[in-house]
Amino acid sequence: DVKVTQSSRYLVKRTGEKVFLECVQDMDHENMFWYRQDPGLGLRLIYFSYDVKMKEKGDIPEGYSVSREKKERFSLILESASTNQTSMYLCASRTASGELFFGEGSRLTVL
Amino acid sequence: DQQVKQNSPSLSVQEGRISILNCDYTNSMFDYFLWYKKYPAEGPTFLISISSIKDKNEDGRFTVFLNKSAKHLSLHIVPSQPGDSAVYFCAASGKADSWGKLQFGAGTQVVVTP
Repeated sequence: DVKVTQSSRYLVKRTGEKVFLECVQDMDHENMFWYRQDPGLGLRLIYFSYDVKMKEKGDIPEGYSVSREKKERFSLILESASTNQTSMYLCASRTASGELFFGEGSRLTVL
Repeated sequence: DQQVKQNSPSLSVQEGRISILNCDYTNSMFDYFLWYKKYPAEGPTFLISISSIKDKNEDGRFTVFLNKSAKHLSLHIVPSQPGDSAVYFCAASGKADSWGKLQFGAGTQVVVTP
């Protein structure tokens, strides 16, 4: 069974803190993605990775960075969290046929 | 500039009736379209897809229709059930995009009433 696991379901951080969001997939997929979901805006792509140590910016990369040291793990990093980064963060990996499998999401609140 | 648009933020339908969700896109390079369903506090789950070589794809109660000339697709749910109450996202990707990035619409909240 396909599994994408996000380490934290709910986080509360203060402005300026560094935040790590971890994502692990067990399907040996090459492509992994980080999206954020906001009301009225749908899902917007932050960063994606097509192989270990490879990364590409998505549509809204400002304020974020990523790390892909192992094929199964893709981390999203907020170097200095700001209140406008309060959101639901969704990690996904991609099948060969093109569907994305999503994790359950990480709800981040920045105070 | 959103390339995938879902202009109806919400839809209310009676149990047993048909739900019709609409989606428009602007990028003529899109050739693969998907619908995702999302419950609160969960990640989206894949529902159904269609490639541009088809104009219809059916899977049980769910049917997706694609009108390429109008750059429009729709999802029909027949009959609607209370468990169908969720947010539905339309998504699209293009053949030219080898990474498989999906562009998502803003979503439509469906409420199925008994």
